[in-house]
Amino acid sequence: AQSVTQLDSHVSVSEGTPVLLRCNYSSSYSPSLFWYVQHPNKGLQLLLKYTSAATLVKGINGFEAEFKKSETSFHLTKPSAHMSDAAEYFCVVSPYTGTASKLTFGTGTRLQVTL
Amino acid sequence: AAGVIQSPRHLIKEKRETATLKCYPIPRHDTVYWYQQGPGQDPQFLISFYEKMQSDKGSIPDRFSAQQFSDYHSELNMSSLELGDSALYFCASSFGTQRREQYFGPGTRLTVT
Repeated sequence: AQSVTQLDSHVSVSEGTPVLLRCNYSSSYSPSLFWYVQHPNKGLQLLLKYTSAATLVKGINGFEAEFKKSETSFHLTKPSAHMSDAAEYFCVVSPYTGTASKLTFGTGTRLQVTL
Repeated sequence: AAGVIQSPRHLIKEKRETATLKCYPIPRHDTVYWYQQGPGQDPQFLISFYEKMQSDKGSIPDRFSAQQFSDYHSELNMSSLELGDSALYFCASSFGTQRREQYFGPGTRLTVT
């Protein structure tokens, strides 16, 4: 079984400062890992994905994440926060094999961006 | 680019009624997934279909059923609705199943009164 743990339920940053959203994963095999973002009353948008290629993954809107097997982590970062980044962020894991590639979501981190 | 389409976007039903949610995947996507997101909760996997066959089943109540049709669209049928069924229901689609990113629709907000 696989799971993800988002270490912070709420993160607040000032506009223009770096963003760090932390995620640890647990998986018996090499997992696929994703970050999704959900703006209020909106659907889920894929930010980036890791599927055993490059360990540093670049996504949309300036976000990136680094897969660290030794630390079982997949933290999401952005050099400079923008007001429009305020949203709920989900770290997500998918199993390596099988036809049932369902996604297992973390509990989410709410990012607040202040002026 | 075309996205996943869900209808209706909002639905209000009374207890013990039935509801049908529809999902139209991205063109050429052959796999559909259904998720339920309760208020303040993370999305929970319900069920998925690959090439019109059920491929996996999650925490879907027996009162719910789903299928994928020949044009790859999917419907989630919900009967004997309960207050606890009030949630945002997402459909996602992918091309293939293994290690593929899923693209989500805007969701259907179901309110049971």
